[in-house]
Amino acid sequence: DAEITQSPRHKITETGRQVTLACHQTWNHNNMFWYRQDLGHGLRLIHYSYGVQDTNKGEVSDGYSVSRSNTEDLPLTLESAASSQTSVYFCASSVGALDTQYFGPGTRLTVL
Amino acid sequence: GENVEQHPSTLSVQEGDSAVIKCTYSDSASNYFPWYKQELGKRPQLIIDIRSNVGEKKDQRIAVTLNKTAKHFSLHITETQPEDSAVYFCAASKSGYSTLTFGKGTMLLVSP
Repeated sequence: DAEITQSPRHKITETGRQVTLACHQTWNHNNMFWYRQDLGHGLRLIHYSYGVQDTNKGEVSDGYSVSRSNTEDLPLTLESAASSQTSVYFCASSVGALDTQYFGPGTRLTVL
Repeated sequence: GENVEQHPSTLSVQEGDSAVIKCTYSDSASNYFPWYKQELGKRPQLIIDIRSNVGEKKDQRIAVTLNKTAKHFSLHITETQPEDSAVYFCAASKSGYSTLTFGKGTMLLVSP
C-alpha cells in the first residue's frame, strides 16, 4: 500500500549539531510539507515543495532547510540544532492544491 | 497572510451530547476548509472538509457549516462517543495554494 513514512521516529541530539529528518512517500504526490507541532501553537508550516527542485519557506523556516531531488523524498535539515527546535515534526503530502494532506507518523526531536 | 482562530481550546462533554468547535479566518479569498482529528500520539487525519461553494456538509455524526459572509466555519459532532476524544484542528486554504493555515486546536474530551 502507498504510504508516507518518517525516520527516525525519535531523536535526541545536542545543541549545535546538524540533524536531518527523513520523509518518504510512495503516492507520487507532487506536494510535500514539513510542520512542527508544539503545545499551544498547533501545526506550523516550516517548508514546502510543489515538485522536484522546488522549495518554499513557510511560517517558521529560520534554522531549517529542505531539498527535493526526487518526487518521493523531502528531507528536513536543522543546520545547527537549538533547544527551541525541540518539537514533534510532521511531514505531509498531497496531490495538489485544495486536496487532502496525508501526514506521516511524526518524529519527536529533543535538542539538549 | 491568513490567520485562523479556533475556539474553544478545550471542550468536555458527556457521552451522547453534541460538541461544536468554531473557527474564524481572515482571508476572504480562502475557499477550502478541512478539519483534522489527532488522537493522542498519532498523526493528524482528515475527517471532513468543505469548499466555499456549499454551506454545509454532513458525514454520519459529523457536520461542518460555513458562513462566508462572517468568515467562520464550525464542526458539529452529534451523539459523541469516548472514541471521539482527540484534538481537532481546523484549517483554511485558497485556490492556487496547497498550503494550509491551521488553527491551534481544540482538545475534546468525551466522558462515559
